[in-house]
Amino acid sequence: DGGITQSPKYLFRKEGQNVTLSCEQNLNHDAMYWYRQDPGQGLRLIYYSQIVNDFQKGDIAEGYSVSREKKESFPLTVTSAQKNPTAFYLCASSIVVGPRDEKLFFGSGTQLSVL
Amino acid sequence: AQKITQTQPGMFVQEKEAVTLDCTYDTSDQSYGLFWYKQPSSGEMIFLIYQGSYDEQNATEGRYSLNFQKARKSANLVISASQLGDSAMYFCAMREAPGSGSEKLVFGKGTKLTVNP
Repeated sequence: DGGITQSPKYLFRKEGQNVTLSCEQNLNHDAMYWYRQDPGQGLRLIYYSQIVNDFQKGDIAEGYSVSREKKESFPLTVTSAQKNPTAFYLCASSIVVGPRDEKLFFGSGTQLSVL
Repeated sequence: AQKITQTQPGMFVQEKEAVTLDCTYDTSDQSYGLFWYKQPSSGEMIFLIYQGSYDEQNATEGRYSLNFQKARKSANLVISASQLGDSAMYFCAMREAPGSGSEKLVFGKGTKLTVNP
């Protein structure tokens, strides 16, 4: 079955530590996205990538970094510069970025907490 | 300014009844798309229904329909014959026209729906 796999389901970060969230898709989609969700809030876009080796900042990119070396993979690193990293992180993909009817497919998310 | 507004933090409905979840949006574009997603407690976002700004008829997908009122900039989700499995968070989202700089999907804060037996 095609889909998006996020791992781990739960992740804990110590002060000053970088952590990396994994996102893999086998939908053959060109575009991938990372969203952050805080309790009682909607989803906010961190980074997105339209194609391999290319990515753009979203609305809240500070303290995060990404890479897109393979079409299938779009890992997100939460750096020590992100002072409030506790949140639910959702990875998504779509065929392309831009068309108004282009829907996103989501993974099951990673809950990141600070120790 | 907030692009998507969902004014109902929580809603309750009896099983087998219909419920309407409100969504208003803000855009100056003529071409845009509106989406509804469901997020159960497992966390995954599930696509429910899509409405294009130029679509003349309201979108329907099974028990889901979208009450689209363009002049009022509202796109309310109607769930008919509610089931216990419909209990979840529901998010309204919008994408504006390509090239507008706002072609990414923007989400509202969501409505938590609880279906009572």
